[in-house]
Amino acid sequence: AQTVTQSQPEMSVQEAETVTLSCTYDTSESDYYLFWYKQPPSRQMILVIRQEAYKQQNATENRFSVNFQKAAKSFSLKISDSQLGDAAMYFCAYRTLYGGATNKLIFGTGTLLAVQP
Amino acid sequence: NAGVMQNPRHLVRRRGQEARLRCSPMKGHSHVYWYRQLPEEGLKFMVYLQKENIIDESGMPKERFSAEFPKEGPSILRIQQVVRGDSAAYFCASSPPPRGSLNYNSPLHFGNGTRLTVT
Repeated sequence: AQTVTQSQPEMSVQEAETVTLSCTYDTSESDYYLFWYKQPPSRQMILVIRQEAYKQQNATENRFSVNFQKAAKSFSLKISDSQLGDAAMYFCAYRTLYGGATNKLIFGTGTLLAVQP
Repeated sequence: NAGVMQNPRHLVRRRGQEARLRCSPMKGHSHVYWYRQLPEEGLKFMVYLQKENIIDESGMPKERFSAEFPKEGPSILRIQQVVRGDSAAYFCASSPPPRGSLNYNSPLHFGNGTRLTVT
């Protein structure tokens, strides 16, 4: 069974600085998706960034980028030029690439990010 | 295009009552997933349904919990005889069916959740 581990329960960053959130996972599959979701106090789950495991290039979305190390099964999120609105809980998640009965999202336990003005 | 709609946003039940949580998927989405988020924890998978069919219920508690996704209308997560430990945020997500010859999964779209409080 696949597992996702986020070892940092809380992180803090100064506004305009850069922060990296860690995520490791375990799977025997070779093809899969990895995601970072943001959950602000409103509770809404917002997709931040997505990476397909077969793509070697790291995904980037504006100030958000990932460092995907497939061999190490590591998927960290880097937030550049942090803004107050980035303060939220961040979840790393795994999903198999192909459809079928096992295509549910598997979440880590989350990292609570605080942004200091 | 409306997103995934969940209602109610907040639900308060006394111990022993029934809770019914509703989820209307995005237009064109035939697959629905329910997740539970206990306080200070991540989201845990409960059940995966498509219209009139339960695909995977491996995360559902064996008793008191049931889910359905009828041909017409929203998906319903039903909790009978609620207990304090059922207090949590319940999220619904939807997606289109897997596509292409290799059955690729599409991203999930989440609703805003229902916060259930059992008093």
